[in-house]
Amino acid sequence: GAVVSQHPSRVICKSGTSVKIECRSLDFQATTMFWYRQFPKQSLMLMATSNEGSKATYEQGVEKDKFLINHASLTLSTLTVTSAHPEDSSFYICSARDRGYYNEQFFGPGTRLTVL
Amino acid sequence: EDKVVQSPLSLVVHEGDTVTLNCSYEVTNFRSLLWYKQEKKAPTFLFMLTSSGIEKKSGRLSSILDKKELFSILNITATQTGDSAVYLCAGNNAGNMLTFGGGTRLMVKP
Repeated sequence: GAVVSQHPSRVICKSGTSVKIECRSLDFQATTMFWYRQFPKQSLMLMATSNEGSKATYEQGVEKDKFLINHASLTLSTLTVTSAHPEDSSFYICSARDRGYYNEQFFGPGTRLTVL
Repeated sequence: EDKVVQSPLSLVVHEGDTVTLNCSYEVTNFRSLLWYKQEKKAPTFLFMLTSSGIEKKSGRLSSILDKKELFSILNITATQTGDSAVYLCAGNNAGNMLTFGGGTRLMVKP
């Protein structure tokens, strides 16, 4: 149980395009989903927290107009990187919190974004 | 601002060695400390520690929390090449937000 999927697992795009990453909780309802970014050889940095049906809360330094987060249902959150630039190339990981396991976050497998 | 610091940054050992990874934390309204193992993809959960002094064990891995010293260690005994990974610890606060440490990169040589 408690499986989180991400799609796509890898994406390569041209500078200036937008990329959408999906995060799904497959067998539980996720009232809260988190989006992290991880640069090579660095740790996970929280970008934003999204609660189902409400606006995401962004961490300091994360541009909300650039990283659009939508948490439309209890099993799906999306992160759209708008007008991507090479410096946005990173590993993006989502996690989801099961309403029944309040203390634990379950991580998706991650999406590697490369912007050319 | 919550802060989690791990040491060492990296470690190279040989199979069979025992390693100890360190994690110190400053987390407001601390709730728990979590350890993860990260190989090529997203982190996989190892332990969640909430109480001081109670060792959690899973096979060759064990971990303990010291809430007075704001410190946790992760021990791996009889290391194997498959233990090579980045080990992350994260502090969880009352709002259930995780702050990750920088990780310890462990390499186990045959």
